[in-house]
Amino acid sequence: EPEVTQTPSHQVTQMGQEVILRCVPISNHLYFYWYRQILGQKVEFLVSFYNNEISEKSEIFDDQFSVERPDGSNFTLKIRSTKLEDSAMYFCASGTGQETQYFGPGTRLLVL
Amino acid sequence: GENVEQHPSTLSVQEGDSAVIKCTYSDSASNYFPWYKQELGKGPQLIIDIRSNVGEKKDQRIAVTLNKTAKHFSLHITETQPEDSAVYFCAAFTGGFKTIFGAGTRLFVKA
Repeated sequence: EPEVTQTPSHQVTQMGQEVILRCVPISNHLYFYWYRQILGQKVEFLVSFYNNEISEKSEIFDDQFSVERPDGSNFTLKIRSTKLEDSAMYFCASGTGQETQYFGPGTRLLVL
Repeated sequence: GENVEQHPSTLSVQEGDSAVIKCTYSDSASNYFPWYKQELGKGPQLIIDIRSNVGEKKDQRIAVTLNKTAKHFSLHITETQPEDSAVYFCAAFTGGFKTIFGAGTRLFVKA
């Protein structure tokens, strides 16, 4: 059964550094999403991406964040200058439609 | 803004008993309600969903009910097993591209 994959599984970075989190969505999916989950808290929507552009974003997704689909398979989340409060689990999700989403295993980001 | 409330935050049941998790949503335009199961160290996995034109849906030991008037929806797990132990999230799709999650319920099934 096809799955969403994410790399790396864990990332440790220094405050102020740039990080890129990578995702390979399920191959026939057209809708792509990033979520984050701070330890012990709820899953929070960051951004959705469709037809090669951002379709919706939350207030969390400020100018420090960007997303890209550089080729036909990868979907990336970049954080330009990480802050301590960016430490969280980041989940990528994809779907054939806007509603049903399939999540990847996540990348645990720790900002020191 | 849109919000999804979920109760209880923790639920402990004996193996074989039923478990019920309840959610309410604020946006009356919400029309799709998925439930996710998250095991330790993994991403949320879709286990069942319901659309606003349906009042109830069942899949083996799992059922969901939806009351659009009251903006309530619930997850029912019957004959619970230890492997059902996980964190369960309800969510509401508010139209557009955004899904709002509840805070989660940590379910413990005691053998």
